[in-house]
Amino acid sequence: AQRVTQPEKLLSVFKGAPVELKCNYSYSGSPELFWYVQYSRQRLQLLLRHISRESIKGFTADLNKGETSFHLKKPFAQEEDSAMYYCALRSYGQNFVFGPGTRLSVLP
Amino acid sequence: GAGVSQSPSNKVTEKGKDVELRCDPISGHTALYWYRQSLGQGLEFLIYFQGNSAPDKSGLPSDRFSAERTGGSVSTLTIQRTQQEDSAVYLCASSLAAGRGFYNEQFFGPGTRLTVL
Repeated sequence: AQRVTQPEKLLSVFKGAPVELKCNYSYSGSPELFWYVQYSRQRLQLLLRHISRESIKGFTADLNKGETSFHLKKPFAQEEDSAMYYCALRSYGQNFVFGPGTRLSVLP
Repeated sequence: GAGVSQSPSNKVTEKGKDVELRCDPISGHTALYWYRQSLGQGLEFLIYFQGNSAPDKSGLPSDRFSAERTGGSVSTLTIQRTQQEDSAVYLCASSLAAGRGFYNEQFFGPGTRLTVL
């Protein structure tokens, strides 16, 4: 069965510090992995996906199939990064499976 | 339209009553998803429509839950005989397509907050 885990419910870092939000998944095939973000009083929105290999708002995520991980990283956190982050997995032709989310709090 | 819209934004109902939640996807989007977001539970997949194919209902928690999508556009999620544990934010999302690749980006609506007393 497909499953996504995010071990941290809450992650607090100081402004300017590096941040890493962990995501692990279980799936035997070739999944697509995503990070979605929900800022306060805003809609859930796509942040990035692994097939793009892009950096969005300074965030990057690398798919590690050996460790079945897709951790989200940013070298220097900003206060505006404070939000709820969800890791999600999708297998071909299937629905999306979301993790429980991690609330990131960037302190001044 | 500007994006996915949902109505009502808030719904308070009494235990045992039926409720209908509506979702208007982005025009032209063939895929539509319903999720439930409970406090501390993340997003729980409920049901997924793709074009004219039979919907994927594998996430519906009980037979009290059902959903329709008329004309490949508007969708209604119906909860019969509501229970207190149904209280949550119900999110709808749509995507241009459902295949692999960039076309499957989901655009979310603002959600409907359901409170069952």
